[in-house]
Amino acid sequence: DAGVTQSPTHLIKTRGQHVTLRCSPISGHKSVSWYQQVLGQGPQFIFQYYEKEERGRGNFPDRFSARQFPNYSSELNVNALLLGDSALYLCASSWGGQGRNLPYEQYFGPGTRLTVT
Amino acid sequence: QKEVEQNSGPLSVPEGAIASLNCTYSDRGSQSFFWYRQYSGKSPELIMSIYSNGDKEDGRFTAQLNKASQYVSLLIRDSQPSDSATYLCAPAGFNKFYFGSGTKLNVKP
Repeated sequence: DAGVTQSPTHLIKTRGQHVTLRCSPISGHKSVSWYQQVLGQGPQFIFQYYEKEERGRGNFPDRFSARQFPNYSSELNVNALLLGDSALYLCASSWGGQGRNLPYEQYFGPGTRLTVT
Repeated sequence: QKEVEQNSGPLSVPEGAIASLNCTYSDRGSQSFFWYRQYSGKSPELIMSIYSNGDKEDGRFTAQLNKASQYVSLLIRDSQPSDSATYLCAPAGFNKFYFGSGTKLNVKP
């Protein structure tokens, strides 16, 4: 089975522009999470979606938004880009279904490298 | 105080030795604990998960959890040069995944 896929691989944008990043989870997985990773730090949680509903949100400004589609793929949108938004954006997939009372393992895609100039 | 504390390293061990990686966390609501390995320029790869106090072994890897001390560790036995990477500790509650900044491990041939 294919793993988590993300597009595009690399992206260069100018300050003030808008960007859309895309993610397809592992087949059968219903939950998608988005993370931002800057060099030298661990991933920082942005959003988690399950069955098209937002389940969690990290400490990021409203310029960041996301959504999940009926096929469980997801988009992350960032408006009014700042230089500080330059980072690796990671999508993580998990099953997220009912019947378990513990957080699920998350599996990461290859990421999208965003550079803001 | 950071949610997750890890020694940034680098931790250098000779090939064949045991590498010991440590992590402390602040959120007592964390219920699951994960270790990820991240090679330079790549995305994190899940290598271990642990949910209850004690030890869990998987091949050359052993994860140890002590919830009372808010401490989790990863032991890598018979370290190989291919284990050289950054290891990320990730405590998780529902709808919350925290990541440490990682410990860089160098295994010298």
